[in-house]
Amino acid sequence: LAKTTQPISMDSYEGQEVNITCSHNNIATNDYITWYQQFPSQGPRFIIQGYKTKVTNEVASLFIPADRKSSTLSLPRVSLSDTAVYYCLAPGGATNKLIFGTGTLLAVQP
Amino acid sequence: EPEVTQTPSHQVTQMGQEVILRCVPISNHLYFYWYRQILGQKVEFLVSFYNNEISEKSEIFDDQFSVERPDGSNFTLKIRSTKLEDSAMYFCASSERTGGTEQFFGPGTRLTVL
Repeated sequence: LAKTTQPISMDSYEGQEVNITCSHNNIATNDYITWYQQFPSQGPRFIIQGYKTKVTNEVASLFIPADRKSSTLSLPRVSLSDTAVYYCLAPGGATNKLIFGTGTLLAVQP
Repeated sequence: EPEVTQTPSHQVTQMGQEVILRCVPISNHLYFYWYRQILGQKVEFLVSFYNNEISEKSEIFDDQFSVERPDGSNFTLKIRSTKLEDSAMYFCASSERTGGTEQFFGPGTRLTVL
């Protein structure tokens, strides 16, 4: 499983776009880049997943360069309710387990 | 929208007692998981379960832990003799497929061992 590295914390203001970058230098061919969100005392929630280029859904966009050694989660126009921990993972292959790091604590201020 | 449910939401027990944490995964999912999160720490994988048997487990999942799917809907985690360090949030999750597909997490059970 690829090891991922992301900033410990980020601050933002309501209405801003937030970009959280994750590095995964040893990502394998079978690995997908996946982001989860976790609010305090709740289970993680899947946000978005991609393999390469750009993926967009109703919540976020995920940008993955051609070498796949990094990825960027983009949250458009954040609100206070987006304050949470965001985890970058690279699951795939034969294993089902998710390996969570410490994630990025995003604090959105008014 | 279908969701994973867990009971109880909070369990308090004495050290050495057995506890059973219960989960109802999403009905058409085939893969089931338990994770735990000690307060202030990372979410840690415990075990994955498919086709009525454990498919993968972590070093945390020792002989004190067991999982079972007693019927077509429930998935349980049993801790035989709880220790203080078992105090944590325990999350159940399920997925349709394997290989990194989206896992749906339940709200968790907060286990407090006194």
